[in-house]
Amino acid sequence: GAVVSQHPSWVICKSGTSVKIECRSLDFQATTMFWYRQFPKQSLMLMATSNEGSKATYEQGVEKDKFLINHASLTLSTLTVTSAHPEDSSFYICSATDYNQPQHFGDGTRLSIL
Amino acid sequence: AQTVTQSQPEMSVQEAETVTLSCTYDTSESDYYLFWYKQPPSRQMILVIRQEAYKQQNATENRFSVNFQKAAKSFSLKISDSQLGDAAMYFCAYRWGAQKLVFGQGTRLTINP
Repeated sequence: GAVVSQHPSWVICKSGTSVKIECRSLDFQATTMFWYRQFPKQSLMLMATSNEGSKATYEQGVEKDKFLINHASLTLSTLTVTSAHPEDSSFYICSATDYNQPQHFGDGTRLSIL
Repeated sequence: AQTVTQSQPEMSVQEAETVTLSCTYDTSESDYYLFWYKQPPSRQMILVIRQEAYKQQNATENRFSVNFQKAAKSFSLKISDSQLGDAAMYFCAYRWGAQKLVFGQGTRLTINP
C-alpha cells in the first residue's frame, strides 16, 4: 500500500528555536497533504490542508505565522514550528492523498520543547 | 458542520470474542465516505475499513465489518475473533468534498487474554 514517511520521529529542542518536520509520499504523488496535531489521549485535530503549489488553508484558531507549511512538490510537504515554546509540545501527524484515495498517514513526530 | 461522535470512550473484550464499536455522524450531504482508523501505542494511524455512502452493502475486511445505517447516520465497527493485536484506539472518521477528515473522539479498545 501507499507509504508516507515523516521525519523526524522525535525531536527535542530549546524554547525559541524553529523546528522543521518533513512529510514525504514515497510511492505516489500527493495532490493534497494534511497536518494534524494530537494531544495525549485525544483525537486528531486538523491544523491545515496543503495543496501542491498553493498556499495552505489553515483551520480556525491555528496561527499561520507560527506553523508554516510548504508543499513545494507532489511528494513533499513541510511544517515549520517557528519560535517554538513549551506549549507547542505535542504529537504532529501528516497525511497524504491523491484525488479520491483514502488518506495515508505518516508515523508522526513527537515534539518536545524545553 | 459535520460532526462525528463516538460515545464509548473505552471498551474491553475477551480474546476471541466479538466487540462492536459505535459511531454516529451528522451531515446534510448524501455522498460521502466513512472510515475506521486504528491507532496502536506506536501512534501510527492504520486504515481498518472504509465505506462509500452510496453503497448499500456493508464493507468487510477479514475480521472487521461495519454496520452502515445511512438513514440513522450510524456506522459501527464489528471486530470478530478479537486478538491481542487489536488493542488500540479506534477512530471513526467522515470525509466529504475537499477530502478533509473529521474524526470522532476515539474509543480505547482493550483485549483481555
